[in-house]
Parts: sequence; structure tokens; C-alpha cells
Amino acid sequence: IQMTQSPSSLSASVGDRVTITCRASQSISTYLNWYQQKPGEAPKLLIYAASSLQSGVPSRFSGRGSGTDFTLTISSLQPEDFATYYCQQSYSTLYTFGQGTKLEIK
Amino acid sequence: EVQVVESGGGLVKPGGSLRLSCAASGFTLNHYNMNWVRQAPGKGLEWVSIISSRSNYIYYADSVEGRFTISRDNAKNSLYLQMTSLRAEDTAVYYCARERSEADSGGLYVNFFDSWGQGTLVTVSS
Repeated sequence: IQMTQSPSSLSASVGDRVTITCRASQSISTYLNWYQQKPGEAPKLLIYAASSLQSGVPSRFSGRGSGTDFTLTISSLQPEDFATYYCQQSYSTLYTFGQGTKLEIK
Repeated sequence: EVQVVESGGGLVKPGGSLRLSCAASGFTLNHYNMNWVRQAPGKGLEWVSIISSRSNYIYYADSVEGRFTISRDNAKNSLYLQMTSLRAEDTAVYYCARERSEADSGGLYVNFFDSWGQGTLVTVSS
């Protein structure tokens, strides 16, 4: 299953609302997870099952979608949110990630 | 505290072999499926392999099938990745990731990676 994220990169300002999209090549129900990765660090789980917030993750992060189309929204960007974001499907045990979306400061 | 720590990375020549280890602490390893995920320099994440909690199922990405072998020793709280016939394109940071499962609002159990190590760098170069 191929996962395609858009955009590949995004420039935004602190306080902005941003949305990242992830599309699966076939229906994956809600078997979709989102991760955040900062340079030199391991990925961190943000959202699982398309819309469930991982414990400890700020509520400004939210996820939606099912089937083939999914979104990750950050309601009000904070300085610590500038990072790369990845979606990942777990519908098939041959797990796959999207190519990533790099969120940069404008 | 849940922790996984990878080791065993290094520089190896093309065609060579390397064995990575992942030491788990703060949780009972035999309750969880475990995975390896890699990231080539400047690139995205690529899932490599999964081994179920009791080793009764194992899967590999097509890119490593037949060359890599995942295994675990629950008594030692350890996960391994034996890598053979290494190629330049295997150069990456290799992460060990714990897999957990939770039900969504509709009752579907979804798997995800909830704990990651800091990774170990494997460089394949002559």
C-alpha cells in the first residue's frame, strides 16, 4: 500500500493553522498513524487510528479521515512544532510510511 | 520507564554482514510485537521488518527480504536484526520500535509504534 503526503514541504508562522494530507493507494479504514520527527531525534507518535491522540500530545494536534484520505491538523502552530511529519498505514502488515512533510518556519 | 536501545551499527563493506541488537527495558518484551524501521541519510522512514510477540509470524519489506533476518530472545529482553549481503542503499539509521494496539472509536484494533530507540547508524561503503 502506497502512502502519499502533501505537501512535501510547508512554510508557516507561529499561530497559523496548518493541515497535512495523506492519501492511501487503497482503502485502509482507520489504520492510519501520524508521527513527528525533529532533526537528530527518533520519530514520536502523535495520532493513532486516524484520530486518537496519543497520551501527552497537545490537543492542538488532531487527525481525521478514513478509507483513503486523511488529514493532520495543527490548530495553532507553536515553535516546537516545526518538524517533519509522517503518516503510516497499519492495514497491511507490510507497513508503509508516507514520504514526509517538512514544516518550516516562514 | 519504557526504553529501547539499539546497538551494533558501524561501517561495513558491500557484501558484508552486521548484527543489530535492541535492548528493551521498562516493559515485558514478550507482550509486544517488535519492528525495525530505517532512515537513509536525509530521507524518510522505511519499515524493514516485524516479529510477533511469540515469533509466530515475521514479515520483511521487499527491499530486504532474503537478506535480513529478524529474531528475538524474550528471556534476554532483546530484539535482533541480522543483515547480510549488505548494499550501499542499506546505509541508514536503524530504529527499533515497539508496536502497540488500541481500539478506535469503532472498535477496530489499530497497530502503531509507540516507543522508539535513538537508532544505530549502519554505513555500507568500501
